[in-house]
Amino acid sequence: DGGITQSPKYLFRKEGQNVTLSCEQNLNHDAMYWYRQDPGQGLRLIYYSQIVNDFQKGDIAEGYSVSREKKESFPLTVTSAQKNPTAFYLCASTNDPGATNYGYTFGSGTRLTVV
Amino acid sequence: AQSVTQLDSHVSVSEGTPVLLRCNYSSSYSPSLFWYVQHPNKGLQLLLKYTSAATLVKGINGFEAEFKKSETSFHLTKPSAHMSDAAEYFCVVSYSGGYQKVTFGTGTKLQVIP
Repeated sequence: DGGITQSPKYLFRKEGQNVTLSCEQNLNHDAMYWYRQDPGQGLRLIYYSQIVNDFQKGDIAEGYSVSREKKESFPLTVTSAQKNPTAFYLCASTNDPGATNYGYTFGSGTRLTVV
Repeated sequence: AQSVTQLDSHVSVSEGTPVLLRCNYSSSYSPSLFWYVQHPNKGLQLLLKYTSAATLVKGINGFEAEFKKSETSFHLTKPSAHMSDAAEYFCVVSYSGGYQKVTFGTGTKLQVIP
């Protein structure tokens, strides 16, 4: 079955550590996204990529980095510069520019906690 | 600029009674509107979408939504709540302005009381 796989499901980070969240899709979608979800705030866009080897900052990119070396993969690194990284992180993909017709397909998320 | 407002952060209904989750939007362009559902610690699943065809949209699991341009609303309804409907629901607006032109509401948590 096609879909998006995020791993790990739960991740714990020590202060000052970088961690990488994995997102893999087998839907052959061109566009991929990373969102951060905090209680009561909806989803906020961190980074997005429309095509391999290209990505753009979203609304809250500071303290995060991404790469898009393969169409299937869009890993997110949470760096030590991100002062409040505890959140639920969601990866999404679409072949629908602007998500105006088909919407997104989402992964199951990674819950990151700073310890 | 576009925005979406979910008028209730929490809604509580009894099993078997109707569900109404309210969403208002503002957009300078003809919008596309979506409702997604999220169960605890899961990703979001698309319930239904409006993309300028019929104004009454039917989705999965018995949910419907009606696009009312005059009221700038896209409320989500279901005639009879089921325990499995307990989740968080997100209203989303987008328009043909590029990949980044998608705005999520802040969510409504639906509680279903047995």
